[in-house]
Amino acid sequence: NAGVTQTPKFRVLKTGQSMTLLCAQDMNHEYMYWYRQDPGMGLRLIHYSVGEGTTAKGEVPDGYNVSRLKKQNFLLGLESAAPSQTSVYFCASSLQGYSYEQYFGPGTRLTVT
Amino acid sequence: SQQGEEDPQALSIQEGENATMNCSYKTSINNLQWYRQNSGRGLVHLILIRSNEREKHSGRLRVTLDTSKKSSSLLITASRAADTASYFCATGSFSGGTSYGKLTFGQGTILTVHP
Repeated sequence: NAGVTQTPKFRVLKTGQSMTLLCAQDMNHEYMYWYRQDPGMGLRLIHYSVGEGTTAKGEVPDGYNVSRLKKQNFLLGLESAAPSQTSVYFCASSLQGYSYEQYFGPGTRLTVT
Repeated sequence: SQQGEEDPQALSIQEGENATMNCSYKTSINNLQWYRQNSGRGLVHLILIRSNEREKHSGRLRVTLDTSKKSSSLLITASRAADTASYFCATGSFSGGTSYGKLTFGQGTILTVHP
């Protein structure tokens, strides 16, 4: 099993550009999450999904959109990138919700100039 | 502020020593989880302790939970250089109106184990 994979691993964007981060999991997990990690801030939840076709806002959703058309994939989109979105982005999945351990991907380091 | 706050922010020890990290939180929880993050990598789940449990062991890891003090500790015994990483606590609690509930991460403790 590959677990949770993320593409790309690194990306540099100019302000105003758009991009999509792809997360895939092969564990048949219902729940998937997108976090961002910034120095001194811990992990903050951007959006999450409780099943195929569902999405919901997390703690810091502004400037991001998500889609979960297939159970194994969770996409994070930035429509118009801003320097404040420079961060490391992690995708995670879990069998169910907050009572279960989360499995994390390796992360995507995004720089917006 | 974050629900889970780790203490200390950084810890430096010699190989073979024990490492203790603490986590405090503010509101009632369903469970508390500990994760490890090696530099440049994703988080890896270490252990989950439920609110009705007081202590849990996994290999060289020992986690305690004191719900009356709203605190938890992670003890790593006989540390190794390979234990060098950041350690995060995450509190899981039910958030009314959502099926997901909430898992909130603290800012982490950076552990350095010197050979």
